[in-house]
Amino acid sequence: LAKTTQPISMDSYEGQEVNITCSHNNIATNDYITWYQQFPSQGPRFIIQGYKTKVTNEVASLFIPADRKSSTLSLPRVSLSDTAVYYCLVGRPRQLTFGSGTQLTVLP
Amino acid sequence: SQTIHQWPATLVQPVGSPLSLECTVEGTSNPNLYWYRQAAGRGLQLLFYSVGIGQISSEVPQNLSASRPQDRQFILSSKKLLLSDSGFYLCAWSRDAQSRTATNEKLFFGSGTQLSVL
Repeated sequence: LAKTTQPISMDSYEGQEVNITCSHNNIATNDYITWYQQFPSQGPRFIIQGYKTKVTNEVASLFIPADRKSSTLSLPRVSLSDTAVYYCLVGRPRQLTFGSGTQLTVLP
Repeated sequence: SQTIHQWPATLVQPVGSPLSLECTVEGTSNPNLYWYRQAAGRGLQLLFYSVGIGQISSEVPQNLSASRPQDRQFILSSKKLLLSDSGFYLCAWSRDAQSRTATNEKLFFGSGTQLSVL
């Protein structure tokens, strides 16, 4: 089972780009990397998923180096509403539990 | 489109009372279904998952149980609640998506039930 490590918290200012890195040294060949966002008293929301290189959607980008031992979630030009907890998951949900995630606080 | 319904939104129960939380999914068939619990300020703990009717896998030994009586219905139960059962309970669904490299899943969560056991 792939264990993930990500920062407990990060602060940023409105309009800045935010990069949150997740380490997963023992990722398996068939593991996908998935990021979720959670606001207080709500269920997590799927943000982005990737297997290798770069994936981009309307919300974020996901950068995965060739060795796949880490991944970086990039949020362009954050706003106050991006303040949330961000979780990195590696593998299939039935094989793991969400960690504590990264609390991103966007300041005015 | 697919939707997931989870109720009730909040619940206050005395210690020793029974529990039944229900979750239903619409707009898809044969989903994978999950129950998670989240303690205040903590990550999500996987409690149960199901890949089909009557198929339940438990991840954490406890006084909770789960059942899947229908394809898109998932129920979390307890005969006697403990104080430690308090928390935010979330139901989620996913579908397997097969690619050339692996099978991936994306979880879609319900709105959650805040359970307080007093």
